[in-house]
Amino acid sequence: EVQLLESGGGLVQPGGSLRLSCAASGFTFHTQAMNWIRQAPGKGLEWVSGISGSGGSTYYADSVKGHFTISRDNSKNMVYLQMNSLRDEDTAVYYCAKGHLGVTFRFDPWGQGTLVTVSS
Amino acid sequence: EVVMTQSPATLSVSPGERATLSCRASQSVAGNLAWYQHKPGQAPRLLIYGASTRATGVPARFSGSGSGTEFTLTISSLQSEDFAVYYCQQYNFWPLFGGGTKVEIK
Repeated sequence: EVQLLESGGGLVQPGGSLRLSCAASGFTFHTQAMNWIRQAPGKGLEWVSGISGSGGSTYYADSVKGHFTISRDNSKNMVYLQMNSLRDEDTAVYYCAKGHLGVTFRFDPWGQGTLVTVSS
Repeated sequence: EVVMTQSPATLSVSPGERATLSCRASQSVAGNLAWYQHKPGQAPRLLIYGASTRATGVPARFSGSGSGTEFTLTISSLQSEDFAVYYCQQYNFWPLFGGGTKVEIK
């Protein structure tokens, strides 16, 4: 069974940094693209970032380009999201999701999410 | 930039009734459209991909149709576990979700 488990969320001050982690199991990790998607309080879903199976290609939404960095460690079946210069509008539940049937930007399954709160 | 618009924002339906949800793209996304179900406190779940193909394990009461700019998700007979928020998402360009339709109990 494919499982994704996010961690690393918490309360951080504006301008601060946080690194989210996603532990994956139940599939051949290095062959699958991975993504981060977020949901701000009371809002809809927003794709944030994606990474190819090899890690050689990374993709970002304009809203986070230049202050978030996605990476992966295929030896540990982990994907990360380094978030710097955090702003109030980055407050959200962050979900990790696998690309579906070889399509990078189609998402299945998703993890349960980790909450990031940016507040002073 | 493509814009995804879902309607209605809220749909009130009685158990056993049919629900029809709409999703419109501002430009053609071909058949590169997915539908997700999201319940509070849970992980979103892929229901439909390729506009009309049910994902693994999705009950047959869920069906998708459409192509280009107009898409529909139909739930033929609502069960109690189907009350949730539903999102469409195009993956023809950079991924983008619609604003969601909340299906609530009437």
